Order: sequence, then C-alpha cells, then structure tokens
Amino acid sequence: AQKITQTQPGMFVQEKEAVTLDCTYDTSDQSYGLFWYKQPSSGEMIFLIYQGSYDEQNATEGRYSLNFQKARKSANLVISASQLGDSAMYFCAMREGLGRGGKLIFGQGTELSVKP
Amino acid sequence: GAVVSQHPSWVICKSGTSVKIECRSLDFQATTMFWYRQFPKQSLMLMATSNEGSKATYEQGVEKDKFLINHASLTLSTLTVTSAHPEDSSFYICSANRDRGSHEQFFGPGTRLTVL
Repeated sequence: AQKITQTQPGMFVQEKEAVTLDCTYDTSDQSYGLFWYKQPSSGEMIFLIYQGSYDEQNATEGRYSLNFQKARKSANLVISASQLGDSAMYFCAMREGLGRGGKLIFGQGTELSVKP
Repeated sequence: GAVVSQHPSWVICKSGTSVKIECRSLDFQATTMFWYRQFPKQSLMLMATSNEGSKATYEQGVEKDKFLINHASLTLSTLTVTSAHPEDSSFYICSANRDRGSHEQFFGPGTRLTVL
C-alpha cells in the first residue's frame, strides 16, 4: 500500500531565507505522481508542484522546486526566498499511476511559519 | 484554471439530522470526484471515490450508510451525512481531476460541518 510520510510537524524560517520541507513515500508501483499542496488557514488547497516518477528533471514552479530522489523515495519541497504569505500547512501527496484519474494519498503535513 | 465549488461553505445542524454537501466542477466534466475529511491540525483523509453513474468506492473504515454519496451528473457529486452526531463535525473537502492538461487535482473550498 502506498504511504506518504512528513516528519516535520512544524518548521520556522526567516523571511527571505530558503526552506526545505521533507517528504518520503512508499509504493510498489513504478508509475506514480507526487504533489505538494499549500493549505492556508482559510482551508483552501492550493496546488504548488507536480513530479512524475519518470521525470528526469526536478520540477520547478517559480519559488517552488521539488527535490526528487527516486532511489531514496523522497520528494522534498524547497521554497526559496520565503515570504510572510508562505506561512501555512504544506502537504505532500502521491497518486499511483501517471493518469489523471486516481486518488491522492496525503502525508501528515508540515506547518510552516515565516518570521519577519 | 479549473474550478471546483462546494455548497454550503459551512453548516451547523442538530444531532440526528442529515446534511447534504454539494460539489460541482464548474468548467470541466468530472467522471470521478473524491471526498476527503479533515480534522483540525490533521491531514486530509480520503473517505470515498465518487463515480458518475455508479456506486461510490469507500475507503476502509468509512460507513457507507452514514456517508451517502451520489454522483448523478458529470459535474455534480453530493455527500450526505446521515443522522449526524457531534463526532461527525469536521471539514469536508471534495476534489476532481481533469482528463487532460495539468496533473493537478482541483479542490473545492471545503465545507465546515458543526453538529450540536
């Protein structure tokens, strides 16, 4: 069965600094997708970034990059130049298969606080 | 981007009553939608996969008769919490995927249910 693990319940980062949020996963599938979502206190789920298991390049989206280490089964999120608005819960998630129709399984989440 | 709406955004009800939550994909058709439940400071837990025109697939431990799911059209799925009790108080979020384009799974804004 697939499993996502986020071992950092909370993280602090100074404004303008970079921060890495950890995520490891476990699956017996060769084909899968990895996601990061941000959830501010309002509750909405904001999609940040996606990495397919066969993608050779690490995914990047603006200030977000995904450090994909397939052999270690890790998919860490790197946020560069942190902003106060980055304070939120961050969830790592996985979908088995590379199609778009599958369910997402989420990790426990990491609460990020950005200090001014 | 694609939009998923939910209604109502919040609801307060008395114990023993039933509550219906609607999830709509506004600008795309969704043969599959997902229902998640989230307790404060916790992760999203998948409750069930809603399939248009057929029965929903429930995750282990989720009571089918308690959480009724209907996916009557390609743009609407409903979750009915029957005979609600205070322990059903939670944040319920739906999501849907597009058939093509971004791998993003699109989430509704969520419904906060409080059972008195």
